[in-house]
This record gives sequence, structure tokens and C-alpha cells, in this order.
Amino acid sequence: GAGVSQSPSNKVTEKGKDVELRCDPISGHTALYWYRQSLGQGLEFLIYFQGNSAPDKSGLPSDRFSAERTGGSVSTLTIQRTQQEDSAVYLCASSPSRNGYTFGSGTRLTVV
Amino acid sequence: GENVEQHPSTLSVQEGDSAVIKCTYSDSASNYFPWYKQELGKGPQLIIDIRSNVGEKKDQRIAVTLNKTAKHFSLHITETQPEDSAVYFCAGQVDPRDDKIIFGKGTRLHILP
Repeated sequence: GAGVSQSPSNKVTEKGKDVELRCDPISGHTALYWYRQSLGQGLEFLIYFQGNSAPDKSGLPSDRFSAERTGGSVSTLTIQRTQQEDSAVYLCASSPSRNGYTFGSGTRLTVV
Repeated sequence: GENVEQHPSTLSVQEGDSAVIKCTYSDSASNYFPWYKQELGKGPQLIIDIRSNVGEKKDQRIAVTLNKTAKHFSLHITETQPEDSAVYFCAGQVDPRDDKIIFGKGTRLHILP
């Protein structure tokens, strides 16, 4: 597609439920990133995929968070047993290599 | 690891005046510094970037300066317009071998009529 696509755009879930957030990067971009943005806060790095290399998971806040990238394209961020503090906008970005990111519009997650 | 500090957190300027946002970074090995603009309800968008082999870069009303010795870089917006109102993020590249970048906490810029 022309840009990075994220779905759903909004997600409301009950505390304790699992959620899956999807990211379709720009075709041909080898790098894919997930960031989290809490209300009025900056961008917190979560995880980074580059080609076939092992992902950099150093930013995942707990073992309830995981992500995978299938076939070097689509990525899914999974949050298990959601907590209220998980409420945030989850942003995905992709990059061809050594250039600036292109971000999607994000998924706004609300845990009630 | 890399740490990027950004100031101010909020900035209000009169339409037509200039706006300056400043950032510092901690890792002297960092060599790529992008700036992003985020409008309400949208993802951040790259507006300008600079690499460590230059001290200044300009694109129309936007310019970025870099001082590697002091480890700080700044965004300058001249002749500000209402559409410049947004949140601006600076960032620094952690590892020259990959593309992971660390963001500052952002500056909310208000252009006053």
C-alpha cells in the first residue's frame, strides 16, 4: 500500500483480556518498529524487526507483551491479560534502511 | 543507552514569529537526528533530518542545526503559520549499525493568531 496501515484504529477491551494489534508496513521496507505513546507523552520504543535478524525486544515492558512478523511483512503485537496501564496509542513504523521512519496512524487501546 | 532530552515541552508563538525547539543527546556515537511532526489523531511524520557530517540543513521555513561537540541539535521554524501547530519530536539514532532511534518527549507548539 501507499503507507503503513494499522488495525484496528481503536480498541476497547476489558481488563484481563488479550488483544492483538496489526501492522501492514510499506511493501519492501525491511525494518519494522513498534512504539507506544501514552497520553501527552513521548514515544516509547517497544520492539524492532530488521529483515531476518532476531528482533530487538529490549523495549517490551513485560512478558505480557510479544510481537511477531510473518514473512518479513505483516506484524502483530499481542498484549496478554491487559491492564489499565496498557492504555495508550500503539504506533507502528517501517523503514527501507538507514532512513527516517514512516509511521502508521496508530491503534488507540483503551483498557476498562 | 541513548537518552534524548527535549525542551520546551510547550511553546506558544505569535503567527509570523520564529519557533525554536532544542534537544540534547547522550551517546556521542549517534550520527542521525530526525525531527517528526505529529498532528492530532495522526502518526508522527518526518519533516527534516540531519546527519553528523553536516552542521545545518534547511528546507524552506524549517532548518535544523547540529553541534556534535556539545551534543545538541535544534529545530528552527521561521514565519510560523497556523498549520505549524502540532507536537514536534526530536530523535537520535542509537546504533549506527541499525535504524532504531530514541525520541524526545515532544514539544507542543501553539501558533497564536
